[in-house]
Amino acid sequence: GESVGLHLPTLSVQEGDNSIINCAYSNSASDYFIWYKQESGKGPQFIIDIRSNMDKRQGQRVTVLLNKTVKHLSLQIAATQPGDSAVYFCAETRWEKLTFGTGTRLTIIP
Amino acid sequence: KAGVTQTPRYLIKTRGQQVTLSCSPISGHRSVSWYQQTPGQGLQFLFEYFSETQRNKGNFPGRFSGRQFSNSRSEMNVSTLELGDSALYLCASSVRTGGGDGYTFGSGTRLTVV
Repeated sequence: GESVGLHLPTLSVQEGDNSIINCAYSNSASDYFIWYKQESGKGPQFIIDIRSNMDKRQGQRVTVLLNKTVKHLSLQIAATQPGDSAVYFCAETRWEKLTFGTGTRLTIIP
Repeated sequence: KAGVTQTPRYLIKTRGQQVTLSCSPISGHRSVSWYQQTPGQGLQFLFEYFSETQRNKGNFPGRFSGRQFSNSRSEMNVSTLELGDSALYLCASSVRTGGGDGYTFGSGTRLTVV
């Protein structure tokens, strides 16, 4: 069936390095994608979004890339900081609701 | 401005009991969606309410129900609780229905069924 999945469940990155979190989706009709960050004990927090008519969108220290050809979404975090430690979810708008991937836990190594 | 408020934050219930969770959306947001989050299943969509009407529903049994009031506040009810209902229940609000402009989440209600 259709799904939104992540390539890796965990990712460890040295503080100061760049992080890349990947996500694969299977529904080519999805037109809106979001990355969320969830810290322990909190609800998911919006990071950045992108619509299907775009390939790239940048925010503060974050960039989202969308490759519709291979149905791939990525989140790049520049100069990773300890506060970036969290679980990151990609989500897509499908069937009139947001459907979430399984999440990647990002751990920052000091 | 105030965010999405969920009450209570923590709840312990016994199997067979029922529970009601509350969600107050961001002022001006008319859509409220509910998600169940568990380690094994991730974030699973329960339902969405918009202007007091259920607009969408996930694949959960009828024991899970909800409603929305005229002030957009929403409640979620789970009857005949089972151990597997233990989860973090998240509420999210948005201006429009359908997830097309993203959601703002509350901190959730942690439900433990014993």
